[in-house]
Amino acid sequence: GAVVSQHPSRVICKSGTSVKIECRSLDFQATTMFWYRQFPKQSLMLMATSNEGSKATYEQGVEKDKFLINHASLTLSTLTVTSAHPEDSSFYICSAHRGGMFQETQYFGPGTRLLVL
Amino acid sequence: KNQVEQSPQSLIILEGKNCTLQCNYTVSPFSNLRWYKQDTGRGPVSLTIMTFSENTKSNGRYTATLDADTKQSSLHITASQLSDSASYICVVSGGKLIFGQGTELSVKP
Repeated sequence: GAVVSQHPSRVICKSGTSVKIECRSLDFQATTMFWYRQFPKQSLMLMATSNEGSKATYEQGVEKDKFLINHASLTLSTLTVTSAHPEDSSFYICSAHRGGMFQETQYFGPGTRLLVL
Repeated sequence: KNQVEQSPQSLIILEGKNCTLQCNYTVSPFSNLRWYKQDTGRGPVSLTIMTFSENTKSNGRYTATLDADTKQSSLHITASQLSDSASYICVVSGGKLIFGQGTELSVKP
């Protein structure tokens, strides 16, 4: 199946710093990528939809100035958590949309564990 | 309101036993229904994806069913293995993906 990678897999940072998370589709081009956040024992919550070459679409309640998304190429989207605070500590997962003749699907990355101290 | 509800919330079974997880949804419009397996600390991995016209789909020991009339789906796991311990998430696509809360499965030796 298709492969989506994320880097880093885990990061610990100090409060007030910015953290960048990369999401790459390794063997297909993804015009659309999605960013999710997942808290312990909860399901994934969509944060934003990232479209190559255009501005991301954010879900209600997600601060676009805090969670900067850039989708500069068909295989790379980045999420930057600016001025991170402890409440931003979470598991961040990206997914890449792959269209097909018969059915489309999303492939998820392995996730990035963010801990803000 | 678009919702996906899964049951049970958690389940413990012995290795080698079968189990069935349930998913009820109220999502419109409906495009497809997917089952994902998510290991702790990892991203979800697709098990099956079914469109409106498909009633059942298998992937190894995993068999998913879909009743579009009653808006119910199930995931049956046969001859469970310790590695099946994970969270199983039902996701319905209706434009956006609507995620269920997941069923936490624990397979004990």
